[in-house]
Order: sequence, then C-alpha cells, then structure tokens
Amino acid sequence: AQSVTQLDSQVPVFEEAPVELRCNYSSSVSVYLFWYVQYPNQGLQLLLKYLSGSTLVESINGFEAEFNKSQTSFHLRKPSVHISDTAEYFCAVSGNTGFQKLVFGTGTRLLVSP
Amino acid sequence: DADVTQTPRNRITKTGKRIMLECSQTKGHDRMYWYRQDPGLGLRLIYYSFDVKDINKGEISDGYSVSRQAQAKFSLSLESAIPNQTALYFCATSDSKREDEKLFFGSGTQLSVL
Repeated sequence: AQSVTQLDSQVPVFEEAPVELRCNYSSSVSVYLFWYVQYPNQGLQLLLKYLSGSTLVESINGFEAEFNKSQTSFHLRKPSVHISDTAEYFCAVSGNTGFQKLVFGTGTRLLVSP
Repeated sequence: DADVTQTPRNRITKTGKRIMLECSQTKGHDRMYWYRQDPGLGLRLIYYSFDVKDINKGEISDGYSVSRQAQAKFSLSLESAIPNQTALYFCATSDSKREDEKLFFGSGTQLSVL
C-alpha cells in the first residue's frame, strides 16, 4: 500500500516569489507520482506526473517537480508565482504495476497575494 | 461541454433521506470512480468501476452504493443520509489503455446533510 504526506496545509506567498510545495510518499513497490491542481469551484486536473526516466518533470505553466527516490519525495516548485496560481495542490501516488488505486495527499492550499 | 458531468452541483438534504448523485462522461473511458473530499483529509475513494459489470469498494464505501448503468454513467447513492456524509463529491474517469491511468474529474457535487 502507498501513502502520501503533504505537511503544509497552506502556503502564503507574494506574487513573483518562488514557492515549494512539499510531498513525501511511502511505498513498498515502485511508484508513479502525480501533482493535481484544483482551482476554486472546479474539479482536479493533472498538473504533472512522473512515470519513469528523467526525475525532473515540468508542466506547461512553469511548475516542476523532482522525483527523489532516496528521500521518497516529489516536491513541487515554481520560481515565480502568479496570482492565477492560487489553488489547492494535491500530491498523489500509485504503484506502477497493473491497476493500482491512486492515493491522494491531504492537499496544500497555495495563496498568492499581490 | 464538460467531458465529465456531475448532477446536481449542490444539494441540501435531511438526515435519513435517500440521495442519488449522477455522473456521465463523453470521454469513452472504461473506468469510473467516486471520491469524496473533506477539508484536511484530501480525496478518499468510495467506489470504482472497471466496466459495467465490475464494481469495487474503495476505502470508505460504508453507507454508499453505486450503479453503473452504462459505460458512460455511474451513479452514487446514499440510502439514508447522515450529517457526516456532508462533503464535496467528485466523479472521475480513466482509460485503462493509458499506462498512467490519468484521472479526469467532474466539477463536483457539494452535498450538505442537515
């Protein structure tokens, strides 16, 4: 079974500042890792994912995350945030063989202010 | 039009009432899911279905039932609603032919049980 820990429930930042949202996971098998984003009054949508290969993955809107197997982490970063990045961010993990249910973290609310 | 449509968007009901939440999709995906979201708890899986004849319990299925009426329709029922079922409910779909089982979410149904 897998589990995900997002230690920060809320992260306030100023516009154009860098941000890091932390995610740690535990699993007895190899994993796929995901970040989903939930904008206000919307469902979740996939932001980026790690399946295999390069440990650094990027999204189209400037976010990146790095899979660190030794530290069992998949932290999300952005060098300069915008007001429009205000949302809740969920880290999720699944095993990578056969069908594996996706396990979500408790979410981190990113609040970007001017 | 949304690919994954949930109805209703909001519902207020009383303890003991039977409630049905509906989900339909136009993505042609074979797998469908029901999650509930509670503040501070993230998303938890209620039920999931691989196809019309394959329905499985998730981690919090007690008090809920589901029906997969067609590949495109997956409904969630609360036979006798109770206040702690007040939550935001999401339907999601995925395509088993994708390696990563990326989830596509509806916009959610906010249910309040008084």
